[in-house]
Amino acid sequence: AQSVTQLGSHVSVSEGALVLLRCNYSSSVPPYLFWYVQYPNQGLQLLLKYTSAATLVKGINGFEAEFKKSETSFHLTKPSAHMSDAAEYFCAVSAAGGDYKLSFGAGTTVTVRA
Amino acid sequence: DAGVTQSPTHLIKTRGQQVTLRCSPKSGHDTVSWYQQALGQGPQFIFQYYEEEERQRGNFPDRFSGHQFPNYSSELNVNALLLGDSALYLCASSLFSLRGGVEAFFGQGTRLTVV
Repeated sequence: AQSVTQLGSHVSVSEGALVLLRCNYSSSVPPYLFWYVQYPNQGLQLLLKYTSAATLVKGINGFEAEFKKSETSFHLTKPSAHMSDAAEYFCAVSAAGGDYKLSFGAGTTVTVRA
Repeated sequence: DAGVTQSPTHLIKTRGQQVTLRCSPKSGHDTVSWYQQALGQGPQFIFQYYEEEERQRGNFPDRFSGHQFPNYSSELNVNALLLGDSALYLCASSLFSLRGGVEAFFGQGTRLTVV
């Protein structure tokens, strides 16, 4: 069964600083990996996804993530934080065929300091 | 495009009651999944519907049931409500695929409070 672990339940960064959110996956087969963002009182919005086409994935709002099989990681980064990046971020995994659900991590809350 | 719409947005129920939540998928989508998100946690998969049938089910008791209609809209029913059922219930729609990696579009959720 596949699962993800998000390291750090809360990250605080200064505006303009690097945002780094960590995600490690556990899967018996090459997985599909996703990062979602959730703003207060809203649903989830897809930031980016990895589907084996390229290990460096670029998403919306300046975010990108790198798939590293050797480290079983899929960390999310953004070079320069903006106040509007304050939200909760979820890493998720789905298996390759036959198992259609998304399995989410516990989430990382990002606060941005002015 | 209206995206995924859920109703109602908020709901308060008493223990032991039954509740029905509704979801209309994004235009063109034929698959609907339901997730439960407890406060401070990530969403947990309840089940997925395709062609009006439950295709996959997560680790939830039989008190949780669902339905998909010919127009692809869906309902989530929860019987004999418990305090622990209080959560944000998210509906996600996608296009049918035998493979994984399909992008799921989420609604804004229904906040259920059980008192």
